[in-house]
Amino acid sequence: DGGITQSPKYLFRKEGQNVTLSCEQNLNHDAMYWYRQDPGQGLRLIYYSQIVNDFQKGDIAEGYSVSREKKESFPLTVTSAQKNPTAFYLCASSRGTRVINEQFFGPGTRLTVL
Amino acid sequence: DAKTTQPPSMDCAEGRAANLPCNHSTISGNEYVYWYRQIHSQGPQYIIHGLKNNETNEMASLIITEDRKSSTLILPHATLRDTAVYYCIVRVEPGTYKYIFGTGTRLKVLA
Repeated sequence: DGGITQSPKYLFRKEGQNVTLSCEQNLNHDAMYWYRQDPGQGLRLIYYSQIVNDFQKGDIAEGYSVSREKKESFPLTVTSAQKNPTAFYLCASSRGTRVINEQFFGPGTRLTVL
Repeated sequence: DAKTTQPPSMDCAEGRAANLPCNHSTISGNEYVYWYRQIHSQGPQYIIHGLKNNETNEMASLIITEDRKSSTLILPHATLRDTAVYYCIVRVEPGTYKYIFGTGTRLKVLA
């Protein structure tokens, strides 16, 4: 069964702690993305990666870090520098062509920082 | 940078067609328009994409104006399960993988 998995579905952390959100895909997609969604708002791009060992900042990268060591995996670390980390985090992947690029999303991780 | 504009909300009676408009007047000539929907607390689901011709699949139809400055997503027979937020998106910069989702249109299908 091909798809994107994100774990865990709910995550609680204390303020000041770094936390890493997992994203794995078995769609053989080259491109992967991380978005943040706040209540009643749209999706905002945090980071994206077009290929292994390469990633680019999105619109709200401050306080976040990523790595792309394997094609299947694109973990996101929410650092203590992120001032308001409580949000719904969505990971996506796409074939990564420069023309057509529909994205497939995971179920999301809801992070709450106490 | 290319961006889209959508009405914040719409209602539609069950069984009727839902027509969701999107303005993308700054779209580049060879960039596609994509539509997604997000049911509460889930990841967005891809619906359809188009360049300049009208497109149809099992979920919806997409009508793009000749000047490509706007498009309309059509759900021909809306059901209660179509209640969701619908996003129309385009690539922010040609050649990149940056897309802006905006706040979308919240469609409520009424029984």
